[in-house]
Amino acid sequence: QQQVKQSPQSLIVQKGGISIINCAYENTAFDYFPWYQQFPGKGPALLIAIRPDVSEKKEGRFTISFNKSAKQFSLHIMDSQPGDSATYFCAASKGNNFNKFYFGSGTKLNVKP
Amino acid sequence: ETGVTQSPTHLIKTRGQQVTLRCSSQSGHNTVSWYQQALGQGPQFIFQYYREEENGRGNFPPRFSGLQFPNYSSELNVNALELDDSALYLCASSSPKGASGRADGANVLTFGAGSRLTVL
Repeated sequence: QQQVKQSPQSLIVQKGGISIINCAYENTAFDYFPWYQQFPGKGPALLIAIRPDVSEKKEGRFTISFNKSAKQFSLHIMDSQPGDSATYFCAASKGNNFNKFYFGSGTKLNVKP
Repeated sequence: ETGVTQSPTHLIKTRGQQVTLRCSSQSGHNTVSWYQQALGQGPQFIFQYYREEENGRGNFPPRFSGLQFPNYSSELNVNALELDDSALYLCASSSPKGASGRADGANVLTFGAGSRLTVL
């Protein structure tokens, strides 16, 4: 059973556009929701994260929107750049298993120049 | 800060063989987690090690085992390799819980680049 479901599988966006990636979860015990960015040949790297007590978190061009009642969260990349082309993973974890993350299946983002 | 290093980067094994993958954790990090990332999928938690003991395990059979050493480096061992074990194996290290320095108090996993295992 997949604990975190992610969509779309792939995404093509023009330079300067907005990229939106969505995730949904089932386990209401999850209390930490990070997004990871992975470039080819590299391990995932933390991009931005949110806890369920806030509905939005913004860091530069990256924003997480969180809907606790719907058990959904999304990543918005404003003014998308070719350098943002990578695979993005949403994840979730519970406080008592602080290193056990459940990852989504990933979204491959391609930002066209 | 040297980051997380893994070796080997690529290896090919045949079904039934055994493999050992190695990981050096980031300086100051005392917890190591291992993840399996199949092609086109997200990482799946295998297990984590803290104070040289397994401290949490995912849905993987006992033929997946590990070790953590006093310097916090770690090994992942897989016995009786199966074709489905072909994947990228990621090691991630983290600081003690609550010591990440983040305002939200959460732990941050620092991943290595992984070891790509192909089982023929």
